[in-house]
Amino acid sequence: DAGITQSPRHKVTETGTPVTLRCHQTENHRYMYWYRQDPGHGLRLIHYSYGVKDTDKGEVSDGYSVSRSKTEDFLLTLESATSSQTSVYFCAISESGTTGRYGYTFGSGTRLTVV
Amino acid sequence: GENVEQHPSTLSVQEGDSAVIKCTYSDSASNYFPWYKQELGKRPQLIIDIRSNVGEKKDQRIAVTLNKTAKHFSLHITETQPEDSAVYFCAASFTGTASKLTFGTGTRLQVTL
Repeated sequence: DAGITQSPRHKVTETGTPVTLRCHQTENHRYMYWYRQDPGHGLRLIHYSYGVKDTDKGEVSDGYSVSRSKTEDFLLTLESATSSQTSVYFCAISESGTTGRYGYTFGSGTRLTVV
Repeated sequence: GENVEQHPSTLSVQEGDSAVIKCTYSDSASNYFPWYKQELGKRPQLIIDIRSNVGEKKDQRIAVTLNKTAKHFSLHITETQPEDSAVYFCAASFTGTASKLTFGTGTRLQVTL
């Protein structure tokens, strides 16, 4: 497939609980990203990583944290889930110019519902 | 930061007609402009992209044009087919900063028979 997998695919959680989403890649790409997709907002960047243990915030980072301890794994944690974090979360990877290519490859997404 | 606006939000065309989706960006440093297609319940997939040193790029029935001066870029789909029905997203980034893409809000294209 695309060399990038997300887990879980679906999750329902209660308000106030912590939630961790996982993104795993087999492409050895340096850059990894977490986006959320909401109707009327398109895809908005939450956090991104430019290497192991190197991460930075995107435009909608409040309430989220990330970790990248290995090249292949990028974890997104909702520290205390709120209903406003109900969304579809997409992970993406990019070579970002290593081979002249800058486009993203997206994972299949995680549909998260906070009740 | 970068801001990308996309129009229209919905577009309905008859099979065989052309479709045009337009985007504007705010950051003059942006130099990479991809377009993604997302079918219902699926992941976004890259369909075509353009760098700022090129004004137009074609791939079969799809083409993208870029006007750097006006900060506009557009997606053109000719001879539309039912399988072109999807949501299309434009995006922009500066390739020197981890290529963080800023996306438009999407255009839902419906191709009717």
